[in-house]
Amino acid sequence: GAGVSQSPRYKVAKRGQDVALRCDPISGHVSLFWYQQALGQGPEFLTYFQNEAQLDKSGLPSDRFFAERPEGSVSTLKIQRTQQEDSAVYLCASSGGQGSNQPQHFGDGTRLSIL
Amino acid sequence: AQKVTQAQTEISVVEKEDVTLDCVYETRDTTYYLFWYKQPPSGELVFLIRRNSFDEQNEISGRYSWNFQKSTSSFNFTITASQVVDSAVYFCALSENAGGTSYGKLTFGQGTILTVHP
Repeated sequence: GAGVSQSPRYKVAKRGQDVALRCDPISGHVSLFWYQQALGQGPEFLTYFQNEAQLDKSGLPSDRFFAERPEGSVSTLKIQRTQQEDSAVYLCASSGGQGSNQPQHFGDGTRLSIL
Repeated sequence: AQKVTQAQTEISVVEKEDVTLDCVYETRDTTYYLFWYKQPPSGELVFLIRRNSFDEQNEISGRYSWNFQKSTSSFNFTITASQVVDSAVYFCALSENAGGTSYGKLTFGQGTILTVHP
């Protein structure tokens, strides 16, 4: 498909386990964003990549969260030693440009549940 | 710091009614962009519209219309003759220009859950 693809769609993990969430952006899109959406809330920014460079990680809640985009396309968000407060939907978005006026195209998200 | 407020948590209407979703924003930037996104039950955020801070013309797209008023820092969204398929969560979002250095990080409101009953 032509849209942003995220996998897995659902992930259940026990507290303390590590998880990895994948995002496949629209082909050719330079910008890639990760957002965290808690139940009943709006998405909140986590981190931003321009090609392979992580230019902003100010939204990552702790050093347990790590993101990468090594070849400037697919990105992975990793959460180590998961905790219950990490339960949320993780949304990935991409855009073709680099400016504040560019609409972002979102994937369906990964719903993470920590038991 | 920027902020977006959607005061209406939930709205329930009957099909064919008109409905307006409110959005109020705060920013110190003089150049910024406002967006509306729709989130159906599938979870994907669907882009609806973008408006820049220098363009206060209202916009209409089919049954959708948007009213941007800089004087009151509002960017409201109206659905005319609502349909059941309009049921979703709607988010208003803001992106600051920061003198051209911004890459487009979005600040979202908390969303308004719209339910349209047949």
